Amino acid sequence: NAGVTQTPKFRILKIGQSMTLQCTQDMNHNYMYWYRQDPGMGLKLIYYSVGAGITDKGEVPNGYNVSRSTTEDFPLRLELAAPSQTSVYFCASSGVAETQYFGPGTRLLVL
Amino acid sequence: RKEVEQDPGPFNVPEGATVAFNCTYSNSASQSFFWYRQDCRKEPKLLMSVYSSGNEDGRFTAQLNRASQYISLLIRDSKLSDSATYLCVVPYGYNNNDMRFGAGTRLTVKP
Repeated sequence: NAGVTQTPKFRILKIGQSMTLQCTQDMNHNYMYWYRQDPGMGLKLIYYSVGAGITDKGEVPNGYNVSRSTTEDFPLRLELAAPSQTSVYFCASSGVAETQYFGPGTRLLVL
Repeated sequence: RKEVEQDPGPFNVPEGATVAFNCTYSNSASQSFFWYRQDCRKEPKLLMSVYSSGNEDGRFTAQLNRASQYISLLIRDSKLSDSATYLCVVPYGYNNNDMRFGAGTRLTVKP
């Protein structure tokens, strides 16, 4: 069972570069989320989506963009990478029961 | 009061001990609450949901005190495998999709 998959697992970016973090779920969940987790901290919500074509900002959306063209995919875009975006990024999905299922994470280092 | 606040620990306990963590929250309108477990460098996984006054699952008991706005997690007969960081999660927003995570409480169970 794949669940929630994320690619890449690890990436190093230079300041100003852009990249897309991929997230796919195969559980037919309507809700999908992107979080970032800084060392020793809890997860902070970046963006979320309640269904294809619908996205909304979370707690820390600045510097990121998302799209949701299908139920399965929810990519996160960084347009101009900054050192402050060095973090671990987790994608999650949930159905109506609110339990969130997380992907394995993407570790991003911006130098 | 912070949105979600946890005692960071670390809690170092011997096998077989009983240990309790507290989590306070600021949103009095929140109806459901969650405890997630996160192993080192891994994704969070749901441990327990709390929708009313409490929930019990084997050695784990979660209790909710709405008047004082805190949730507790009690672990009885601690096992080495219980060593992890425990995250308290409280939904915010009108549709409960904006999940706010505490910074986590780190537990180490020693032989």
